[in-house]
Amino acid sequence: GNSVTQMEGPVTLSEEAFLTINCTYTATGYPSLFWYVQYPGEGLQLLLKATKADDKGSNKGFEATYRKETTSFHLEKGSVQVSDSAVYFCALTRSGGYNKLIFGAGTRLAVHP
Amino acid sequence: KAGVTQTPRYLIKTRGQQVTLSCSPISGHRSVSWYQQTPGQGLQFLFEYFSETQRNKGNFPGRFSGRQFSNSRSEMNVSTLELGDSALYLCASSLGLAGVQVVGELFFGEGSRLTVL
Repeated sequence: GNSVTQMEGPVTLSEEAFLTINCTYTATGYPSLFWYVQYPGEGLQLLLKATKADDKGSNKGFEATYRKETTSFHLEKGSVQVSDSAVYFCALTRSGGYNKLIFGAGTRLAVHP
Repeated sequence: KAGVTQTPRYLIKTRGQQVTLSCSPISGHRSVSWYQQTPGQGLQFLFEYFSETQRNKGNFPGRFSGRQFSNSRSEMNVSTLELGDSALYLCASSLGLAGVQVVGELFFGEGSRLTVL
């Protein structure tokens, strides 16, 4: 079946450090891939998306590239800020799956000054 | 533009009772999806409604049901509550039209936190 696997957290970084959160997926067909973020006390927000192989999604300094050959969609940011502290979820929706998102377990990021 | 509004935000019920949660989507959005978030199981899809029709359903028992009204507002109901139903229930809306908006690009509410005692 379709699934998403994320690296376990928490990830603890100092401000301005480089961030990578690994995400791999299993899916039939050609899924769309997403990163959602949940800030403390808030609902989920779409961070970035990619709909086909080799697409790069980017937003707020975060980037992720849809790698079909490695079935991966790793999240990266060159210099994190304290305000990036949140839980990050990798997700997919399979082609024809409408808005049925399959989420990874989430990775908590804590950034310290 | 107002976001997705969920009510109530917090509620406490006892085992065996039923609960109804409400969701008002962003104006113009015709798709409403519901998700359950728990520490153990993470985020799990419950169902999606589009133009008053359920077009997708997750693997939850029949105690979980939903509906959508002509103004796109949606409700979900859980009957015969169990302790394991304690969770944050998230509603998300989208235009729901492939080709107009990326499928899976959802706008989430802040959730309704249900505690079952």
